Amino acid sequence: QVQLQESGPGLVKPSETLSLTCTVSGGSVSSANYYWSWIRQPPGKGLEWIAYMYYSGSTDYNPSLESRVSISVDTSKNQFSLNLSSVTAADTAVYYCARVGGSGSYSEYYFDYWGQGTLVTVSS
Amino acid sequence: SYELSQPPSVSVSPGQTASITCSGDKLGDKFASWYQQKPGQSPVLVIYQDTKRPSGIPERLSGSNSGNTATLTISGTQAMDEADYYCQAWDSSTVVFGGGTKLTVL
Repeated sequence: QVQLQESGPGLVKPSETLSLTCTVSGGSVSSANYYWSWIRQPPGKGLEWIAYMYYSGSTDYNPSLESRVSISVDTSKNQFSLNLSSVTAADTAVYYCARVGGSGSYSEYYFDYWGQGTLVTVSS
Repeated sequence: SYELSQPPSVSVSPGQTASITCSGDKLGDKFASWYQQKPGQSPVLVIYQDTKRPSGIPERLSGSNSGNTATLTISGTQAMDEADYYCQAWDSSTVVFGGGTKLTVL
């Protein structure tokens, strides 16, 4: 059974960089069969996709966040990470990491395993 | 940018059928997925590739997708089905979520 666990600071100051790590167990971030992704959910609001990456290092980002976001993978630790720079209160949210499974074209992929989420508050 | 629209809320009586829609331009040409989220919990995949159910998801949940609308149908709705539901699709290589629908079982 695949499990994902987010970790990182729960409080970040405005203008600073939010950094989170997702540790994967029961599966490998080096697998060619999956993508690995970050999604967030502001309190009381809906889901917003942030980014995903492939084990090879290829990535794609939400156009609305692309200028501030980067994701990376550490295959030796079976982890992938998120950095979001220049944060504001609008970045306060529960951040989820997830595995993206499927095959074939992008359209055939789906988020099949999710972490429990971690609340990050942006405040001075 | 591509958008998916869902009704904010749907109400249903226990035992009845609930339908939650997700609308987007030519959505039927793409695959839709659906996620169930209960309060304080992470989203759970309930339908993928329009009609497929992951292991462990009850048969009373089903999906369809045609034209501009994908639909999640819950037959014989139970109290445990009360949750927020999100549709999701891909726009080229980027991911789009619908705004979510709160299903209330009255």
